[in-house]
Amino acid sequence: ETGVTQSPTHLIKTRGQQVTLRCSSQSGHNTVSWYQQALGQGPQFIFQYYREEENGRGNFPPRFSGLQFPNYSSELNVNALELDDSALYLCASSGGGRGGGTVISTQYFGPGTRLTVL
Amino acid sequence: SQKIEQNSEALNIQEGKTATLTCNYTNYSPAYLQWYRQDPGRGPVFLLLIRENEKEKRKERLKVTFDTTLKQSLFHITASQPADSATYLCALTRGSARQLTFGSGTQLTVLP
Repeated sequence: ETGVTQSPTHLIKTRGQQVTLRCSSQSGHNTVSWYQQALGQGPQFIFQYYREEENGRGNFPPRFSGLQFPNYSSELNVNALELDDSALYLCASSGGGRGGGTVISTQYFGPGTRLTVL
Repeated sequence: SQKIEQNSEALNIQEGKTATLTCNYTNYSPAYLQWYRQDPGRGPVFLLLIRENEKEKRKERLKVTFDTTLKQSLFHITASQPADSATYLCALTRGSARQLTFGSGTQLTVLP
């Protein structure tokens, strides 16, 4: 187990609703990344938070938003849910930081939240 | 546009043989390439990382090669076991956020 936890495990929503997913990062990690994984596909990067600030964003619309708290836990919020938002949402924590340099930290993934939009 | 392709969606091999998985990329200059294992209903688990200036990396029964000229990585599992059955994902790293860009994965089944 990686020490990264996510809640809830499963969620069913209807189109147009809003959802909040939560992630607790591994102890000592200050960076959280969120990914969306559709069935049969690899995870797609949504955004990353480093020390409570957004530090990179993938090709997702503004209705996907996030937050990181002082304890480095994080939330992913999705507004105006669409059927295509049905997926496994993964959170990954790492000890890496912002900007360039050659140091890279391995990302440790949580078990994910399975979101179904009807 | 940037593209990452993993050789096949599914690969079946006999126990004890070497499994070889391929990851090809185009229009990309990654600094790092990583391989992850994912079991059904679980998050990916990190296996190996190789840097652009490294040719090969090994860890126990796992070996990764990285050819930036061919834009290809090969992932080998030697003496494969049924417990190695899983989906294997390659991921490239870029950008200041060091976000991972994943391939779609190869589902490996090791037959007893």
